Amino acid sequence: GESVGLHLPTLSVQEGDNSIINCAYSNSASDYFIWYKQESGKGPQFIIDIRSNMDKRQGQRVTVLLNKTVKHLSLQIAATQPGDSAVYFCAENRGDYKLSFGAGTTVTVRA
Amino acid sequence: ETGVTQSPTHLIKTRGQQVTLRCSSQSGHNTVSWYQQALGQGPQFIFQYYREEENGRGNFPPRFSGLQFPNYSSELNVNALELDDSALYLCASRPGQGNTEAFFGQGTRLTVV
Repeated sequence: GESVGLHLPTLSVQEGDNSIINCAYSNSASDYFIWYKQESGKGPQFIIDIRSNMDKRQGQRVTVLLNKTVKHLSLQIAATQPGDSAVYFCAENRGDYKLSFGAGTTVTVRA
Repeated sequence: ETGVTQSPTHLIKTRGQQVTLRCSSQSGHNTVSWYQQALGQGPQFIFQYYREEENGRGNFPPRFSGLQFPNYSSELNVNALELDDSALYLCASRPGQGNTEAFFGQGTRLTVV
C-alpha cells in the first residue's frame, strides 16, 4: 500500500554538525508535505512545510527539499543543537482532510 | 504553545468501558482532526470535523466517534475499550479545510487495563 516512510529510524549527530533526515513517499497525488518535531511527552510541533509546486523551502536553521521525480523529501538542520534531539516525522496530505505520517526518525545530538 | 489544549492529560480505563477526550482548538480554527499515536509509531488519522460535521474518516471502527461544537471545540468518544486502544490521542486544529499547517495539542495518554 501507499505510505510515507523514513529511511532511518535513528540518527546520531555531533553538536554543531548539520543533520539530514530523509523521507520517501509513494503517493504521487500528494501535494503538501510537513515536517514535525515531537519531544517526549509532547504533541508534534510544526517545523516547516512545502507544497508540491516547490523544490526547496528554507526556515530558521532548517531547509526542506522535495524531489518529486523520486518521491523523496528531506529535512536539513544546520548547526544541530542539543534541543534538536527529538523524533522527527514527515507527513503528507493526500486529500483535504488527512495527514499521513511516517514512523519517525529519532535524532540524538551528542555533546 | 500552539493554543490547542486537550484534557485530560492522562487517563486509565478498564477494558469495556467508555471514554471521552476533549479538545479546545486554537482561536479562529474551524477544523479539528483527531489522531491516535501508538508507542513508537507515527500518528494515525481517526477523523476530522469541519463546522460541526464529520468530513473525513480513517480506518477506525464505529466505536470511535466524535463531536464538534459551535465554538469549534471537539470531543472524541471511544466505546467498548480494548487493550489496543492504549495510545496517545492527539487533537489538531487548522484554520480551514485546505492545505494548511495543523497545530497539535499535547495529547491525552490513554491506558486501557
